[in-house]
Amino acid sequence: EVQLVESGGGLVQPGGSLRLSCVVSGFTFSNIWMGWVRQAPGKGLECVATIKDDGTAKYYVDSVKGRFTISRDNAKNSLYLQMNSLRAEDTAVYYCARGSGSSWGQGTLVTVSS
Amino acid sequence: DVVVTQSPLSLPVTLGQPASISCRSSQSLVYSDGNTYLNWFQQRPGQSPRRLIYEVSNRDSGVPDRFSGSGSGTDFTLKISRVEAEDIGVYYCMQRTHWPWTFGQGTKLEIK
Repeated sequence: EVQLVESGGGLVQPGGSLRLSCVVSGFTFSNIWMGWVRQAPGKGLECVATIKDDGTAKYYVDSVKGRFTISRDNAKNSLYLQMNSLRAEDTAVYYCARGSGSSWGQGTLVTVSS
Repeated sequence: DVVVTQSPLSLPVTLGQPASISCRSSQSLVYSDGNTYLNWFQQRPGQSPRRLIYEVSNRDSGVPDRFSGSGSGTDFTLKISRVEAEDIGVYYCMQRTHWPWTFGQGTKLEIK
């Protein structure tokens, strides 16, 4: 059974940092692109970042470039999102997603507020 | 960025009746390899999204055959042949031909 489990969300002040993690099982993690998708409260979906299977290519949506860093550890079947200089508009549920969305985690809520 | 526009945004449907959602992109979604990377997702209330259709018309494993996808270029459609109660939720199309991958605004399907 494919499983993706996110963690690391929480309440953070504007300008602060958080590191999200996603541990996966049930498929060969090292063979597949992975990504982070977020959903602001009551809003639609937005692809934030994606990373190639071997970590050699990474893409970011403009709104997070220079602030967020996607990474992975294939030995640990884990995907990460380091989020710095957080803003109120980054408040959202962050989902870890396999490939082009074939599987999703349950999401972790990030709230940026003073 | 490629803009993806869905219509309608709200879709009241009678149980057992068909439903159709349109998805239009601001650029062709045909990739250089000849494939068209357009997916459809369902998000039930309180749940994570679930992919239904990939590459325009391929149903994911476990997706009922009442769901079908079609289209080409910039114009795509998701059809539900007979709506069931479990189909309520928000439906999104997403293009992954061009980065950033972009979603439509979502179509909320509700039962009349």
